[in-house]
Amino acid sequence: DQQVKQNSPSLSVQEGRISILNCDYTNSMFDYFLWYKKYPAEGPTFLISISSIKDKNEDGRFTVFLNKSAKHLSLHIVPSQPGDSAVYFCAASDKGSSNTGKLIFGQGTTLQVKP
Amino acid sequence: NAGVTQTPKFQVLKTGQSMTLQCAQDMNHNSMYWYRQDPGMGLRLIYYSASEGTTDKGEVPNGYNVSRLNKREFSLRLESAAPSQTSVYFCASSVGTTRETQYFGPGTRLLVL
Repeated sequence: DQQVKQNSPSLSVQEGRISILNCDYTNSMFDYFLWYKKYPAEGPTFLISISSIKDKNEDGRFTVFLNKSAKHLSLHIVPSQPGDSAVYFCAASDKGSSNTGKLIFGQGTTLQVKP
Repeated sequence: NAGVTQTPKFQVLKTGQSMTLQCAQDMNHNSMYWYRQDPGMGLRLIYYSASEGTTDKGEVPNGYNVSRLNKREFSLRLESAAPSQTSVYFCASSVGTTRETQYFGPGTRLLVL
């Protein structure tokens, strides 16, 4: 049972346009969400996070939006650059895991930004 | 500053063979994790160690064992490898809470024939 779902395996956008990556979750106890980025042959690296007490968090070109009622979050990249081409993983944790660092990851979305 | 290191980078095993994947971190982190990444499945947690001396099962622990040798090192052992364990394995570490970033190693690609 996939608690964190990224239903779009891939996304292709033009350089300079907006990229929107989506993530849905089923566990209402999740209270902290993260996005990780992964290049081929490398480990994932942290990108941005959001607590459930917020509905938006911004860091440069990256913004994460959280809609708790819909159990949905999205990552916006504006403007998209070719170097953003990577696999993006959504992850979540619940309060019960706050002392262990345990995360549940989605399946990942492969973003391709075309020059 | 190496961060999280994993050895080996790539390994081929025959069904039934055993092996240990090694992971070490030099960031003085309390928590360490082992994940596997499979196509269409994302990253799934195998085992984790919230602190030195403790280990707990994650989502997919069957067929694996772990050892938190000390604060720096966390190894993953396959006692009798199966083709279903063909995957890319990532080790990660964090200060200790979910509010802290997890830092990942470069991964070990394992092929079980």
